[in-house]
Amino acid sequence: DTGVSQDPRHKITKRGQNVTFRCDPISEHNRLYWYRQTLGQGPEFLTYFQNEAQLEKSRLLSDRFSAERPKGSFSTLEIQRTEQGDSAMYLCASSLAGDLNQPQHFGDGTRLSIL
Amino acid sequence: DQQVKQNSPSLSVQEGRISILNCDYTNSMFDYFLWYKKYPAEGPTFLISISSIKDKNEDGRFTVFLNKSAKHLSLHIVPSQPGDSAVYFCAARIYDYKLSFGAGTTVTVRA
Repeated sequence: DTGVSQDPRHKITKRGQNVTFRCDPISEHNRLYWYRQTLGQGPEFLTYFQNEAQLEKSRLLSDRFSAERPKGSFSTLEIQRTEQGDSAMYLCASSLAGDLNQPQHFGDGTRLSIL
Repeated sequence: DQQVKQNSPSLSVQEGRISILNCDYTNSMFDYFLWYKKYPAEGPTFLISISSIKDKNEDGRFTVFLNKSAKHLSLHIVPSQPGDSAVYFCAARIYDYKLSFGAGTTVTVRA
């Protein structure tokens, strides 16, 4: 399978705990995006990388959120001191920068539930 | 602010008939529009797209129409099949940048 891979698929944790998600993009893609989707809404942009550089962060990304892509391949999204409002589906997508006629390809997401 | 809007949360259609999904946007800088399909417990899957320089793009049973003056696009599925039952998201972007999504339309195809 050469698609976008996300791990874990589900994460249940208690409020106040830290969680970390991983995304492996399509191998030749240099752009990697994180989105968050809550019930009844479409995905909302959080942040994106081109290679290892984080180029933009949404206002949705509070100080408790941090994302990395240290070698320009896989990425991690960490949430510190989780809150109930962090419960959502976290989606990762990848694309090739400058390839204007190609879509972003999404993984199956990590569903986070905060108890 | 919600720059992409899908005003119909749900659509029910009989198998074999046409499904028409609508999407409106407010940002005139958007130059590329996409439709994604999503099944439960899966990520969005790309369906079809259209550049702002075109007004129609067709791929098999799926056709997307773009009306730039009205800032409106639509997705036609003909004929509708049971496997088309899913949530459909309209998305838009500026250049090859981040996507802005609508809230989705749940399509149910009745046998």
